[in-house]
Amino acid sequence: AQTVTQSQPEMSVQEAETVTLSCTYDTSESDYYLFWYKQPPSRQMILVIRQEAYKQQNATENRFSVNFQKAAKSFSLKISDSQLGDAAMYFCAYGHAGNNRKLIWGLGTSLAVNP
Amino acid sequence: DGGITQSPKYLFRKEGQNVTLSCEQNLNHDAMYWYRQDPGQGLRLIYYSQIVNDFQKGDIAEGYSVSREKKESFPLTVTSAQKNPTAFYLCASTSGLTSSGANVLTFGAGSRLTVL
Repeated sequence: AQTVTQSQPEMSVQEAETVTLSCTYDTSESDYYLFWYKQPPSRQMILVIRQEAYKQQNATENRFSVNFQKAAKSFSLKISDSQLGDAAMYFCAYGHAGNNRKLIWGLGTSLAVNP
Repeated sequence: DGGITQSPKYLFRKEGQNVTLSCEQNLNHDAMYWYRQDPGQGLRLIYYSQIVNDFQKGDIAEGYSVSREKKESFPLTVTSAQKNPTAFYLCASTSGLTSSGANVLTFGAGSRLTVL
C-alpha cells in the first residue's frame, strides 16, 4: 500500500528566508501525481503545487518549487522569500494517475513564519 | 465565482442525533468527496461519488451515509452509529478522471461538528 510521510511536524522560518518541507512516499506504481496543499488558519485547503511523476522537470509556482527525486521517492517543497501569509499547515499527498479517490495524505507540517 | 459551499460552518449535535452536512458545487465537476480531519491526522476519505446516483465507501464510511441525486450536491449524514463524530469535515470535488485537471481537488471551507 502507498504511504506518505512528512517527518517534520513543525517548522519555522524567518520572513524573507527560504524553508524546505520534506515529504517521502512509498509506492510500486510508476504513473502517479504528487501534491502539496496548504491549509491556512481558515482551514480551507488550497493546492500549492502539483507534480506528474513522468515529468523530470521540477514543478514551480512563483515562490514555491519542488525537488522531486523519483528514485528516492522524495518530494520536498521549497518556499522562497517566505511571507507571513505562508504560515499554515502543509500537506503532501500522493495520487495514482487516473484514480483520484486514492489520494494518500501525509500528516502535515505546521509552518510558522516569524517577522 | 465557482466554488464549493459547505454548510453549516459550525454544528453542534446531541448524542443519538443524526445530522446532515451540506456540500454544493457550481464547478460542473463530476466527482465529489467527503473527508474527515482530526488533529494530528491527515485527511481520511469517508465517501466519494464519481457520477450522479452512484457513490462508494472510502476508508472510514461506518456511521456515515451520503446521496448524490444531483451533480451539484453531495450531502453527508453523520448518523448516531458514528461513535466519535466530533471532527472537521471537508468536501471536495474534481472534474473527473479524463480531463487535464482530473487529479486536482477543489475544497470547500469545511464544517466543524461537535457532539455535546
